[in-house]
Amino acid sequence: SYDLTQPPSVSVSPGQTASITCSGDKLGDKYTYWYQQKPGQSPVLVIYEDNKRPSGIPERFSGSNSGNTATLTISGTQVMDEADYYCQAWDSSTGVFGTGTKVTVL
Amino acid sequence: QVQLQESGPGLVKPSETLSLTCTVSGGSINSYYWSWIRQPPGKGLEWIGYIHYSGTTKYNPSLKSRVTISVDTSKNQFSLKLSSVTAADTAVYYCARVGGYNSHFDYWGQGTLVSVSS
Repeated sequence: SYDLTQPPSVSVSPGQTASITCSGDKLGDKYTYWYQQKPGQSPVLVIYEDNKRPSGIPERFSGSNSGNTATLTISGTQVMDEADYYCQAWDSSTGVFGTGTKVTVL
Repeated sequence: QVQLQESGPGLVKPSETLSLTCTVSGGSINSYYWSWIRQPPGKGLEWIGYIHYSGTTKYNPSLKSRVTISVDTSKNQFSLKLSSVTAADTAVYYCARVGGYNSHFDYWGQGTLVSVSS
């Protein structure tokens, strides 16, 4: 099976940059998607096709994908960005989610 | 604005079959792929499978032997059946729209908690 690995947690100070990695075999050959999930809420798409932002997602969210690693970057992190983040990709038409990263803003 | 709403029993007994329905409003179920995703309490997301409005399905290999996803285009609904459930199947179950073939999940339901217990 195909696995996507993320760091369990990332801490960042308000206004600083948070980077969340997602690692998988030849992940750069696939599109990576990123979701934000706040407690008690459904996930929300923040990045699609590696680096595209859906309408309504702030410009401080950006993404990249190369080699075996995709990265979600939050520039000028705000307290409201504190949440769990999941990467996602498709492998042979099977959906795969990353292990998830809890972003703490303090 | 497309909206999805899960419905079904919140409690299922071990060894029985979990059944959920997702009703799509604000748009047609025709076109697009439609998916089920679950999240055990305090844990991460797990993709269960998807169905195309034409009836084509794809399932997570780890659940394939127990999962059936079906679609009723006349009711704008799609459904999930998971057989022989155990406590490990206790989770919040989400339905979601796939924005295209092998694409992102762009619309999600609010999720419904299903507990497996006698």
